[in-house]
Amino acid sequence: GAVVSQHPSRVICKSGTSVKIECRSLDFQATTMFWYRQFPKKSLMLMATSNEGSKATYEQGVEKDKFLINHASLTLSTLTVTSAHPEDSSFYICSAGRTSHPTESTDTQYFGPGTRLTVL
Amino acid sequence: AQSVSQHNHHVILSEAASLELGCNYSYGGTVNLFWYVQYPGQHLQLLLKYFSGDPLVKGIKGFEAEFIKSKFSFNLRKPSVQWSDTAEYFCAVNARYGGATNKLIFGTGTLLAVQP
Repeated sequence: GAVVSQHPSRVICKSGTSVKIECRSLDFQATTMFWYRQFPKKSLMLMATSNEGSKATYEQGVEKDKFLINHASLTLSTLTVTSAHPEDSSFYICSAGRTSHPTESTDTQYFGPGTRLTVL
Repeated sequence: AQSVSQHNHHVILSEAASLELGCNYSYGGTVNLFWYVQYPGQHLQLLLKYFSGDPLVKGIKGFEAEFIKSKFSFNLRKPSVQWSDTAEYFCAVNARYGGATNKLIFGTGTLLAVQP
């Protein structure tokens, strides 16, 4: 259990276009999902916390108008990179905590496989 | 602000050697502590976690970690590594405010290479 998927796994787009990345919790419900960005040879940087049915909470320095997050259901959150530029090329990872689990708090996060975005 | 530091960026061991990866965090309040592993080409997987109770936590694949509150540390150990343990290991901390779920702060990761 606790499987998180991401789609697509990799995407190449032209500069100026928008790209949508989906994050799904396949076998559990997630009130809260998280979006991270991982730079080469560096750690994961939290971009935003996605809350089902409400606005996302962005970390300092992350442009909310550029990285649009929607959490429309308890199993799906989307990250849209708008007007992408080469500097947005990165590995984007989502995670989710299990809601209403009998023994596990939502503090335990399960990670998706990531999406490699390349902006030309 | 909370931070997590992993002192070893790159570790090379031979099979059967013992492993200890250091992790220190800076936060004076209640924390949840995690170790995640990322095998080559795969996503992050939870190795073990500490929320409360026995500070010596056992995880999957023979890993364990010890929470030492006075040292703000949560070091990962394995008595005998295998080639299949080659991966990147991340320590993470979740600082709790009033019981609400909070974000994970990750260390920079330690790349472990086990030579057969």
